Amino acid sequence: GQQVMQIPQYQHVQEGEDFTTYCNSSTTLSNIQWYKQRPGGHPVFLIQLVKSGEVKKQKRLTFQFGEAKKNSSLHITATQTTDVGTYFCAPYSSASKIIFGSGTRLSIRP
Amino acid sequence: SQTIHQWPATLVQPVGSPLSLECTVEGTSNPNLYWYRQAAGRGLQLLFYSVGIGQISSEVPQNLSASRPQDRQFILSSKKLLLSDSGFYLCACGQGDYEQYFGPGTRLTVT
Repeated sequence: GQQVMQIPQYQHVQEGEDFTTYCNSSTTLSNIQWYKQRPGGHPVFLIQLVKSGEVKKQKRLTFQFGEAKKNSSLHITATQTTDVGTYFCAPYSSASKIIFGSGTRLSIRP
Repeated sequence: SQTIHQWPATLVQPVGSPLSLECTVEGTSNPNLYWYRQAAGRGLQLLFYSVGIGQISSEVPQNLSASRPQDRQFILSSKKLLLSDSGFYLCACGQGDYEQYFGPGTRLTVT
């Protein structure tokens, strides 16, 4: 079945530093979603990317979909303590399913 | 927008005991419903999904089962729990390839 590799698994940054997580697939993706899960909480939808080379921004968050639609990234500029959590990429698979990546856990030193 | 209700929030059960987790959805009709399990510090594993009443697809062979007796009700069950069934169980709803909305989850510890 379709799988994605998400790296890094963990990232510990100083508050104010940037953060990037990458999601890579061996197959072409129809679309990809990103979710954030705060510690102890449930995943919350952030965004969906559909078009080749698409770039979307949400305040300090920038999401990209690769030209070949096989990879995606999430970049956070100037991290804040509220950014702490695990970020998951989740490509649409088939038959109404999405497959979650393994996630990148972000921790921040204040 | 959709609201997902799950209960209980936490549950401690002995090995070999039965399990029933319920998920109900408000604010939408004929949703796709999903059960995920998340081990501590790990990703989300899709267990079951349903595109309609009585329609259940199983993703991972195990001692769990799911049922959808009503359009907005999804139940996860087990006849005999194993230690490996411990985890964070999340119910979600969605439509097609659009975003999924998650419930607050049930943290299950099997002792």
